[in-house]
Amino acid sequence: TQLLEQSPQFLSIQEGENLTVYCNSSSVFSSLQWYRQEPGEGPVLLVTVVTGGEVKKLKRLTFQFGDARKDSSLHITAAQPGDTGLYLCAGKINAGNMLTFGGGTRLMVKP
Amino acid sequence: DTGVSQDPRHKITKRGQNVTFRCDPISEHNRLYWYRQTLGQGPEFLTYFQNEAQLEKSRLLSDRFSAERPKGSFSTLEIQRTEQGDSAMYLCASVAVSYNEQFFGPGTRLTVL
Repeated sequence: TQLLEQSPQFLSIQEGENLTVYCNSSSVFSSLQWYRQEPGEGPVLLVTVVTGGEVKKLKRLTFQFGDARKDSSLHITAAQPGDTGLYLCAGKINAGNMLTFGGGTRLMVKP
Repeated sequence: DTGVSQDPRHKITKRGQNVTFRCDPISEHNRLYWYRQTLGQGPEFLTYFQNEAQLEKSRLLSDRFSAERPKGSFSTLEIQRTEQGDSAMYLCASVAVSYNEQFFGPGTRLTVL
């Protein structure tokens, strides 16, 4: 059982549709990060959220950190084929700062 | 390119052989992390260094694995007597403590035949 559960695991949508990816845990995180990973490459940091209830926007992407800092969501508006990839949430619990990752959501946006 | 670099990008080896991977972090980043990612999963923490000191090791890091960061700059991860279950992507990340955000390298894809 992973500490961070992501849903859905797979998502295939048409260009222009909206989508939301969820990241849930029973643990409290000091911060939570979202990454996007292309096949054969390392994860690329999209955003870090730190404060409970925080909302950050990155163009068409909206990230929210739950009030209790146990969950987060990523919403993409008007998805484009370039958004295709593996989306990973990762949280920090302790001072060691190592990241605990979710299992990822594989998104495919069809033109 | 001033990002995190890893070498080699791909490694194919036979079961029982030893392999060594290298990670060069972003200059002046004092923390360096190693993760392992198997197909279809998120990365899992292996170990991390602050400067040259190895501060934490995951239970995933069996005694066949050893990591070093001798001068507090680049790091190496060695796997001895490789097994097929070691096949994975090995990722390195570095962070400047003051910024608290990890930046990942492109990874080394290991295939053990």
